[in-house]
Amino acid sequence: DIQMTQSPSSVSASVGDRVTITCRASQGISSWLAWYQQKPGKAPKLLIYAASSLQSGVPSRFSGSGSGTDFTLTISSLQPEDFATYYCQQANSFPLLTFGGGTKVEIK
Amino acid sequence: QLQLQESGPGLVKPSETLSLTCTVSGGSISSSSYYWGWIRQPPGKGLEWIGSIYYSGSTYYNPSLKSRVTISVDTSKNQFSLKLSSVTAADTAVYYCARHVYSSRGMDVWGQGTTVTVSS
Repeated sequence: DIQMTQSPSSVSASVGDRVTITCRASQGISSWLAWYQQKPGKAPKLLIYAASSLQSGVPSRFSGSGSGTDFTLTISSLQPEDFATYYCQQANSFPLLTFGGGTKVEIK
Repeated sequence: QLQLQESGPGLVKPSETLSLTCTVSGGSISSSSYYWGWIRQPPGKGLEWIGSIYYSGSTYYNPSLKSRVTISVDTSKNQFSLKLSSVTAADTAVYYCARHVYSSRGMDVWGQGTTVTVSS
C-alpha cells in the first residue's frame, strides 16, 4: 500500500504570507496527486489534480508541483478564507486511493 | 449541476451493519468518465477512503476495510450504496460520497456528509 505523509501537521501564518505544504509518497506515484481544502463542518474541495493542474474555479494563488514521491502545495498570498485543513491524495493506483494526514493552516 | 446526497441511519448498534445510500442528481451515474466513492472522517481526524464503484458494478476497496465493506450500484435509481458490517465505535465518523473523475483522478463533487454514530 502507498502511504502519504504530509508536513507540517499544522502551520501558523498571517494574511498575505506564502505558505508551502509538503506531501511525500512511500513510493513513486508519477504525477497522480491531488490536493483538497476542507473547512470545519464541510466536505473537502478539490483544489489541484495531477500534481499541478488547477481545478476550475480555484483561485490562482493556489499552485501545486512535484512528481515521483515529493509534492508541494503553495498558497502564494494567504487570504482569510484560506484558513482550513489541506489534504493530499495519491491516485497512482486509481481507483484505489490514499489520503495524507492533513495540514491545518491556522491564523498567526 | 451535479449533486450527491447521502442518506441512512445516524445511529447503528455495535456488531450491526451500517448502510448508507448516495443519490446522484443532475447527472447520470452511468457515465463512463466517472467512478463513485465513499470516504469517511472520524471526529477530529483525517480522511479515509473506503471504496469505489464503477457503474458496471466493478468495485475497489480499501484493503484495511475490505473484509467488512460492500459497495453496490443501482443505475435505475441513480444511486450507489455502502454496507459496513460488524461495526464498532471506531467506525463512528462522517461518511461522504464523492465522484472520481477518471481523467484527472480527483474527486471533484462531494456530498455534504452524514454522521454515523456507533453506540448501543
